Amino acid sequence: DQQVKQNSPSLSVQEGRISILNCDYTNSMFDYFLWYKKYPAEGPTFLISISSIKDKNEDGRFTVFLNKSAKHLSLHIVPSQPGDSAVYFCAASLGNQFYFGTGTSLTVIP
Amino acid sequence: NAGVMQNPRHLVRRRGQEARLRCSPMKGHSHVYWYRQLPEEGLKFMVYLQKENIIDESGMPKERFSAEFPKEGPSILRIQQVVRGDSAAYFCASRSRQNNEKLFFGSGTQLSVL
Repeated sequence: DQQVKQNSPSLSVQEGRISILNCDYTNSMFDYFLWYKKYPAEGPTFLISISSIKDKNEDGRFTVFLNKSAKHLSLHIVPSQPGDSAVYFCAASLGNQFYFGTGTSLTVIP
Repeated sequence: NAGVMQNPRHLVRRRGQEARLRCSPMKGHSHVYWYRQLPEEGLKFMVYLQKENIIDESGMPKERFSAEFPKEGPSILRIQQVVRGDSAAYFCASRSRQNNEKLFFGSGTQLSVL
């Protein structure tokens, strides 16, 4: 049973515009939510996270929003840059366990 | 400050052979996770280990797969009698005992079974 879902396999955005990546989850007990970025032939790299007690966390061009009532989180990238083109994984943690979504492939068009 | 080190980066095996994948966690990290990514799929949890202990192996196939994290040395994921369906990217991740907020990943081992 997939506890973390990313329903959009791919997204294309023009350079300079906002990229919004979405993620839904089923377990209201998750402690933290994380976003990872992955380039081909490399391991995922940590991007940004948010505690379940917060609703927003910002780091430079990246902002994560958490809507607990909807069990939904999103990653906003603004402005988007060609170097942001990668696969983005949403993850949620509960205790020692981490659950990952299937990823969204973002393409930023110059 | 070296990150999570995995080797080899690429591993080619013929059907029926054994594959051994190694992972050295970040310095100071005592918790190791193994994930598998099949083509066009996400990261699937396989096993979670601490030094000398398997904590959660609920994602491991019941046969042919095993993992260990000895007191000294890297964590090893072993696949016996490999089949074509084992071809995938295998990622190791680690975290510290104190900080359970996030995982740090290695670059992965791409296993190809001929």
